[in-house]
Amino acid sequence: EAQVTQNPRYLITVTGKKLTVTCSQNMNHEYMSWYRQDPGLGLRQIYYSMNVEVTDKGDVPEGYKVSRKEKRNFPLILESPSPNQTSLYFCASSLQRASTEAFFGQGTRLTVV
Amino acid sequence: GQNIDQPTEMTATEGAIVQINCTYQTSGFNGLFWYQQHAGEAPTFLSYNVLDGLEEKGRFSSFLSRSKGYSYLLLKELQMKDSASYLCAVKSGDSNYQLIWGAGTKLIIKP
Repeated sequence: EAQVTQNPRYLITVTGKKLTVTCSQNMNHEYMSWYRQDPGLGLRQIYYSMNVEVTDKGDVPEGYKVSRKEKRNFPLILESPSPNQTSLYFCASSLQRASTEAFFGQGTRLTVV
Repeated sequence: GQNIDQPTEMTATEGAIVQINCTYQTSGFNGLFWYQQHAGEAPTFLSYNVLDGLEEKGRFSSFLSRSKGYSYLLLKELQMKDSASYLCAVKSGDSNYQLIWGAGTKLIIKP
């Protein structure tokens, strides 16, 4: 089954404790991205990757890091989480950046206390 | 600036028809998308419009007018499972193909 898998689905952590949210897709897509979704706001892109070893900042990259060592995986790293990073996070992939459809992971609800 | 506007919330009755509007102002245009998102779940793709006119897909239709910066999603024969948020997104016209998202319209279906 074609899918994007994120882990964990739910995470409560404390300020400053490094964490990683994993994302994996099995569709051989080149383009992957991370979004955060907050009430009253549209999805905001954090980082994206056009292909292996090619990553770039989105609209709200501060406080986040990513890596793309393999085509299928695109982890999101929070080196020192803060309460303002409490949000719902989605990983998405598409064949290419210009593709007409994106596939989303199930989301990770992160709470930083 | 780049902006997408859609109503925050709408209510409709089971079996009826509802139209969700979306207006946009972006630097160029490479297509408009509608996604459905049930509470706490991932957005799922509904439709894509790049040319003016109406695209029909079963109970759902999407319309685009590029000259007016306007789109709507039409849902017919509403079912309770259609209760969800509907997200409008525009792909910008520059080489970055940036996707700009609206905040979504929460649709509540009543029996």
